[in-house]
Amino acid sequence: QKEVEQNSGPLSVPEGAIASLNCTYSDRGSQSFFWYRQYSGKSPELIMSIYSNGDKEDGRFTAQLNKASQYVSLLIRDSQPSDSATYLCAVNRDDKIIFGKGTRLHILP
Amino acid sequence: ETGVTQTPRHLVMGMTNKKSLKCEQHLGHNAMYWYKQSAKKPLELMFVYSLEERVENNSVPSRFSPECPNSSHLFLHLHTLQPEDSALYLCASSPGTGYEQYFGPGTRLTVT
Repeated sequence: QKEVEQNSGPLSVPEGAIASLNCTYSDRGSQSFFWYRQYSGKSPELIMSIYSNGDKEDGRFTAQLNKASQYVSLLIRDSQPSDSATYLCAVNRDDKIIFGKGTRLHILP
Repeated sequence: ETGVTQTPRHLVMGMTNKKSLKCEQHLGHNAMYWYKQSAKKPLELMFVYSLEERVENNSVPSRFSPECPNSSHLFLHLHTLQPEDSALYLCASSPGTGYEQYFGPGTRLTVT
């Protein structure tokens, strides 16, 4: 099992709908979880951090964490064409951050 | 300057050249990283420095040589590169290893 797994996509979502991005991880000891957004040709940008079970909301973004099931998700409400990007899930393992390969999200106008 | 800066932003070099990439972080962080990202590929971690000490080297060819003179600066020295080394080279920093990372804008490298 890969340490951090994401569906590569592309995930196509109509403008205005909710985009749901999922990530699973293998290390039960992981305590910190991050979502990055990366536009084509640009560097990753940290958009959400979550450390405890449940939901964390920031504007149109909601991160959800379920440690028992070892998954973390990112919801984007009222999706906009500017949300089209690759979203990277990152999880800490011991003293390292492990990145997933990313999910390409395409918002359809 | 704020955040993480990288210079140059674009670099074209021949296979026999020697060049260096520079990264500087203005966040007071203790860890710095080099990543390689080829077109439409995932991030590949190359090197990790913590408090100026190299703590990870992910089987990177010796034609890539990192240097971390202090906790704010990181260099990647390049020599006799191959065309397949053409990629986006990203620098990142974090408060410590295992914490969230902040990325610079990257250097787009083309080897001819």
